Amino acid sequence: GEDVEQSLFLSVREGDSSVINCTYTDSSSTYLYWYKQEPGAGLQLLTYIFSNMDMKQDQRLTVLLNKKDKHLSLRIADTQTGDSAIYFCAENWSTGFQKLVFGTGTRLLVSP
Amino acid sequence: EAQVTQNPRYLITVTGKKLTVTCSQNMNHEYMSWYRQDPGLGLRQIYYSMNVEVTDKGDVPEGYKVSRKEKRNFPLILESPSPNQTSLYFCASSLSPGQGGEKLFFGSGTQLSVL
Repeated sequence: GEDVEQSLFLSVREGDSSVINCTYTDSSSTYLYWYKQEPGAGLQLLTYIFSNMDMKQDQRLTVLLNKKDKHLSLRIADTQTGDSAIYFCAENWSTGFQKLVFGTGTRLLVSP
Repeated sequence: EAQVTQNPRYLITVTGKKLTVTCSQNMNHEYMSWYRQDPGLGLRQIYYSMNVEVTDKGDVPEGYKVSRKEKRNFPLILESPSPNQTSLYFCASSLSPGQGGEKLFFGSGTQLSVL
């Protein structure tokens, strides 16, 4: 199947680190993505990682990829209240054409 | 400003009354797609289009139609809406499919309620 799974909810305090986890299914996915959805808005691409990488860092964001376990994580350092949003991971499902399959989304709540 | 524009933002209708949700992008993107977002299910693809006059079914196409007569527009048509089509709908586009790492641009969403 095409299930991309995430936990539904994460709550952290401002200044702490947040770690959002995702498991995917297609071992041949070449790219994996993190999208952010703020309230009342569409999704915006946060970052992506190529499948031959283990880690990618972009300012406060760190993406870790464990291909053996098909596990992807997004770490947000020094989490701010503005980071409160729903975070979706997505894999490109290899059907000849790269189709994005999204996870269920993790709602991150950052409290002051 | 580069954007994907969906209309309307909110729509309440009754069962069986045909409706169209419009989507337009100003980035000359080849690829456009429609998704629906439901609690606990994430985003599921309804239809996509690789270019003008080229459309194909996604994961949940039943009850929906699309057309791509012009590159910039990709309307979603519900010929006979039913309550199980109550959902948050997103249109998205990208420069070209299959390149990997390409960025999907999303519209702001259309909240549809079918009574």
